[in-house]
Parts: sequence; C-alpha cells; structure tokens
Amino acid sequence: DAMVIQNPRYQVTQFGKPVTLSCSQTLNHNVMYWYQQKSSQAPKLLFHYYDKDFNNEADTPDNFQSRRPNTSFCFLDIRSPGLGDAAMYLCATRPHGQVNQPQHFGDGTRLSIL
Amino acid sequence: RKEVEQDPGPFNVPEGATVAFNCTYSNSASQSFFWYRQDCRKEPKLLMSVYSSGNEDGRFTAQLNRASQYISLLIRDSKLSDSATYLCVVDSPSGGYQKVTFGTGTKLQVIP
Repeated sequence: DAMVIQNPRYQVTQFGKPVTLSCSQTLNHNVMYWYQQKSSQAPKLLFHYYDKDFNNEADTPDNFQSRRPNTSFCFLDIRSPGLGDAAMYLCATRPHGQVNQPQHFGDGTRLSIL
Repeated sequence: RKEVEQDPGPFNVPEGATVAFNCTYSNSASQSFFWYRQDCRKEPKLLMSVYSSGNEDGRFTAQLNRASQYISLLIRDSKLSDSATYLCVVDSPSGGYQKVTFGTGTKLQVIP
C-alpha cells in the first residue's frame, strides 16, 4: 500500500502559469520534505515542515511556496514556473526525533514546462 | 568541500562481480547514514541503513568508518537488476532538527 502519495505523477504547465503539486501520507509522520531533482543530480531540498513549523532552505527561490494544512497533506506551489523548473519533485516524510529512521518517498511528480 | 561526496561513476561491471562504493561526509557530528537506490526516472528507495557495527542484507554489506568519515556499500554477485544509481544519505544535527544531505549518487551498470 502506498504510504506517501504524490499527485499527479506527470504535470505539464505553461511558462508562467501557476501550478500546485500535492503530497499526502498515511504514516502520520510529523516531518515532510519537498525536493527538486534534475537529471543526473542529487535531490535538492527546497523546504521541510516539522508539524506546522516551516523551514525554508536559504537558496530556495521565492517562486516556490508550500502549504501544510494538516499532518497528512502538503502542497508545493510554483507561482510562475520557468523552463528551469522542469524537474522531478519528490515528497518525503519521516518521524521526528528518531535517529536512524529513513525518509519515505512518494513516487514523485515529473513537471514539464511548455 | 561538499558535505557528502560520492564517485559519480559510472561503474560498469560484469554480472557476478563484486563492486564497492564509498561515500565521504564532512560533518563529524553526523548521526545516521543510509544507502538509497534510484532507478532512472523513479523515486529513491531505501536500500539499507548503515549501522556503526556494519550490517549485511543478502548480497549487500554496508560499513561505517566514523574515524575516517566514510561509509561504504559492497554488492556481491552483481545482478543485471542491480543497475541503478546508489545515493548516500547522511543525517546531521542542525539547529534542533536533523538535516538530510544527499550525495550526488554513483551510477552502476551491470553488464551481461
């Protein structure tokens, strides 16, 4: 059973048209992460939540925003996608405060920009 | 120096070979270590955690050397299905939470 679910699997949007990617989890983990991964590169952390406590990486562009309305759901909003934002977007969860607990990833959303 | 460094490869090995990957990390306070496997255009999947005493899971053995700040992954009797990118992941304490850092991955191609 999928425990971290990302929707949609594939998203096509137009240059400059806002887009929202979603992530839900059934694990009740209080930490959720959003990563951007481009071809042949490591996943790059955009931001993460400890419960509702939002933590933005210093180099995450303002164009990327996030919302976490409850424990189960987290959204990534790209306000004005550029061609450079085409990538795989990965959501991951993890229980807080437990050493040696790995992250659980969703299948990812592959974003294309026309 | 990067926080987590891996040889990007590719490592091209014949079926049945033994192959080893290393990963070095810069933060001596790092606490948890993992190897993930990522297939092309898929999400990373946990292969194994790395424990201080070393651990084995079938054909896979992971080792941690805290003094030299590296972890390793050994794959014995390579299968075609082992072809993937192997990502080293390191957890470090940072401002009251755990910072997760990925290496860039080592690409493995097992050839018939």
